[in-house]
Amino acid sequence: DAGVIQSPRHEVTEMGQEVTLRCKPISGHNSLFWYRQTMMRGLELLIYFNNNVPIDDSGMPEDRFSAKMPNASFSTLKIQPSEPRDSAVYFCASSTDRASTEAFFGQGTRLTVV
Amino acid sequence: GESVGLHLPTLSVQEGDNSIINCAYSNSASDYFIWYKQESGKGPQFIIDIRSNMDKRQGQRVTVLLNKTVKHLSLQIAATQPGDSAVYFCAEHTGGFKTIFGAGTRLFVKA
Repeated sequence: DAGVIQSPRHEVTEMGQEVTLRCKPISGHNSLFWYRQTMMRGLELLIYFNNNVPIDDSGMPEDRFSAKMPNASFSTLKIQPSEPRDSAVYFCASSTDRASTEAFFGQGTRLTVV
Repeated sequence: GESVGLHLPTLSVQEGDNSIINCAYSNSASDYFIWYKQESGKGPQFIIDIRSNMDKRQGQRVTVLLNKTVKHLSLQIAATQPGDSAVYFCAEHTGGFKTIFGAGTRLFVKA
């Protein structure tokens, strides 16, 4: 298995533009997580899906952020409109089930909003 | 590549020595405590976990100790190797599904 696949690896966009980050979890995993990593806040859990259903989105910073999981093999995290303070590395992770302590992380997407 | 903060606590050890990375946690209700390793340009990678009703667990070259009295977790790495250089995160698994990460410690291994 190729592991969790995220795209793009790097994204540079102008303030106000829409940004869409993509994730393909490991086949057979039914839990998916989006995290954001910054120097100031470390690794923050944004949203968690189980069996394609959003279970906990309490970490989503504001309404400009939205996430979807239309099927078991694809998820998106969208920021509209983007702001410079959204600049961070965004990680997607998947695990076999909600109780599993081992999450498998993708390589991340480094987002820069100028 | 992707990287973590530059102002993390840092531990520097000589190759071949043992390393001890410490972590304080806050949530007594967490059911598991976990250690992750993050190398430069990569996502975090699971190392080992320990259930909250245990106080010690050993893996390959790693041992995790849990002291619930003082809410302290440690990761011991035996015979540290250059490939162990990374940022290490302790994390709490809580609510049945949520993994909350700590701030991280950067480990440098000197050859």
